[in-house]
Amino acid sequence: QVTLRESGPALVKPTQTLILTCTFSGFSLSTTGMCVSWVRQPPGKALEWLALIDWDDDRYSSTFLKTRLTISKDTSKNQVVLTMANMDPADTATYYCARGAGGRYDRSGHYVHGAFDIWGQGTTVTVSS
Amino acid sequence: DSQMTQSPSSLSASVGDRVTITCRASQSISSHLNWYQQKTGKAPKLLIYAASTLQSGVPSRFSGSGSGTDFTLTISSLQPEDFATYYCQQSYSTPLSFGGGTKVEIK
Repeated sequence: QVTLRESGPALVKPTQTLILTCTFSGFSLSTTGMCVSWVRQPPGKALEWLALIDWDDDRYSSTFLKTRLTISKDTSKNQVVLTMANMDPADTATYYCARGAGGRYDRSGHYVHGAFDIWGQGTTVTVSS
Repeated sequence: DSQMTQSPSSLSASVGDRVTITCRASQSISSHLNWYQQKTGKAPKLLIYAASTLQSGVPSRFSGSGSGTDFTLTISSLQPEDFATYYCQQSYSTPLSFGGGTKVEIK
């Protein structure tokens, strides 16, 4: 059974750095085509993709948040860590991690990621002084 | 970057209605479009991947179609448990992106 669980502080102050951990089980992030991604959702708003790390350690992040985000993995611990610097009240949201499976190269040699088939329950982060 | 635009942003429908939601990409994403359902207070759930492939366990009243830039999600006969918000997402190129969502409400 594949599961993911987010953990981290529920409350951070403006300008602080947020550290979130996604602990997963039931799959290996060393498997070709696998990835783990972070997605957030401010209250009452849409989903926003944040960052992703692939099985081969390739990393990608939101263009808008690129300078503030860092994603890393510890394959031996089955964990993916997201750090977001310089937190602002606008970053108040529920943060999800999700597994993407089935990443592959298409006929033109372009790499496409898999859909997010399993999600964690989410962790709510409030940014307030 | 590929921007995803969903329409409508919300709709009201009755049980048994046929419902169609559209998603448009700002550039071609081939067939690498996924649909998710999200109920209030819950994590999103994958419904359809690769534009038209039903995720295991998802009822057959859900279907998806499209390629290139234009995609649709259809619910053939709306059931009470289908009232939720639906999101499209492109997995063709990074940065990945979601549509703004379509909230399906009870008429």
